[in-house]
Amino acid sequence: NAGVTQTPKFRVLKTGQSMTLLCAQDMNHEYMYWYRQDPGMGLRLIHYSVGEGTTAKGEVPDGYNVSRLKKQNFLLGLESAAPSQTSVYFCASSRLAGGRFFGANVLTFGAGSRLTVL
Amino acid sequence: AQTVTQSQPEMSVQEAETVTLSCTYDTSESDYYLFWYKQPPSRQMILVIRQEAYKQQNATENRFSVNFQKAAKSFSLKISDSQLGDAAMYFCASRGTSYGKLTFGQGTILTVHP
Repeated sequence: NAGVTQTPKFRVLKTGQSMTLLCAQDMNHEYMYWYRQDPGMGLRLIHYSVGEGTTAKGEVPDGYNVSRLKKQNFLLGLESAAPSQTSVYFCASSRLAGGRFFGANVLTFGAGSRLTVL
Repeated sequence: AQTVTQSQPEMSVQEAETVTLSCTYDTSESDYYLFWYKQPPSRQMILVIRQEAYKQQNATENRFSVNFQKAAKSFSLKISDSQLGDAAMYFCASRGTSYGKLTFGQGTILTVHP
């Protein structure tokens, strides 16, 4: 049981280049999230998805695009990388729950992807 | 919207002693959950403990316990009998009913001295 797998784990880009981070989960989770982690700022939500074919903006969506064509995959794209996008990126997934217990299902995180933009 | 604040960028503790990490939060929701995550140098996010806001009893997991003060919107983590393996970055987080989005604090780096 792999859980949440992120690819690649490390990447160095030049300003203006594009790339895609892949997140794959094998737990049949409905919800998936992309976060970025920067020193002194914790983890901030970039985009999220509540199901196949749906995506929504989080706290810091500018400069990123996402797609969820298959339930198990959530892709994060950088069309034109900037040095400000140097960060560690985390994908997470969660099962759906209803009502007041919505927050009960914990998020399962991937191992993170370190991206450096020169 | 939810906000989470950790005012201690760094904390240190002697092995076998007790340390408390502070966290305050703000939310307009009546139903929410609070979490503490541990992030060791491996970067893996590890759930330490979870607290349901509708429960008055403080959550406990072995050496880890919380002090949940709902009226004060405070959620501190106490680590008893600290071990070298407890050294890590600790994040406080809250999760409401809005699509399960998790909001994190800035993190506290915990150092454990032998």
